[in-house]
Amino acid sequence: EVVLTQSPATLSVSPGERATLSCRASQSVSNNLAWYQQKPGQAPRLLIYGASTRATGIPARFSGSGSGTDFTLTITSLQSEDFAVYFCQQYSNWPPITFGQGTRLEIK
Amino acid sequence: QVQLQQWGGGLLKPSETLSLTCAVYGGSFSSYYWRWIRQPPGKRLEWIGDVVYSGKTDQNPSLGSRVTMSVDTSKNQFSLNLTSVTAADTGVYYCARTVLNWESDYMDVWGKGTTVTVSS
Repeated sequence: EVVLTQSPATLSVSPGERATLSCRASQSVSNNLAWYQQKPGQAPRLLIYGASTRATGIPARFSGSGSGTDFTLTITSLQSEDFAVYFCQQYSNWPPITFGQGTRLEIK
Repeated sequence: QVQLQQWGGGLLKPSETLSLTCAVYGGSFSSYYWRWIRQPPGKRLEWIGDVVYSGKTDQNPSLGSRVTMSVDTSKNQFSLNLTSVTAADTGVYYCARTVLNWESDYMDVWGKGTTVTVSS
């Protein structure tokens, strides 16, 4: 089973600045990685799939990069609505698909 | 706009059966896989299983034979039954639409989640 490790656990960033979130896989998952955003009491929202493809309706300030074992989600010019929990998911070596433990992005 | 509305769960006693249903509003029911995922308190998300229009299912081996999933194509609904629940089954349960093919396996629409608590 592929273990995904996200860092940092909590990231404090000021609105308008850039946030960089990391997801590392215990073995190569090629580019078979997705990112999701989750706000309290809401359904998770797909942001990125295929490591770098934005999902429908996702603003361009969200971008994903990486392949193999190291992946990054970058959010430029942070908006108030971007402060949430972000988690990654791999779908290279499945079943089962596996998830990272999440990074909480908070307002600095 | 596709929406998933889920219900069921709540407070259960050990050994009872958890039953959840997810209704799909909008979009194609036959073109996607339909998935159940859960998140125990303080832990990461866990895949429970998938069901497709034809009724074919696939589930996480870690849950053994406790899982049963089904579809009701007349209502565009799918359901999960988890038998013999224990405290370890406590968590938030999500249903999700899944894009699953030879190169993709991700969830593009999620339900809001249902809290399940198992306690005597």
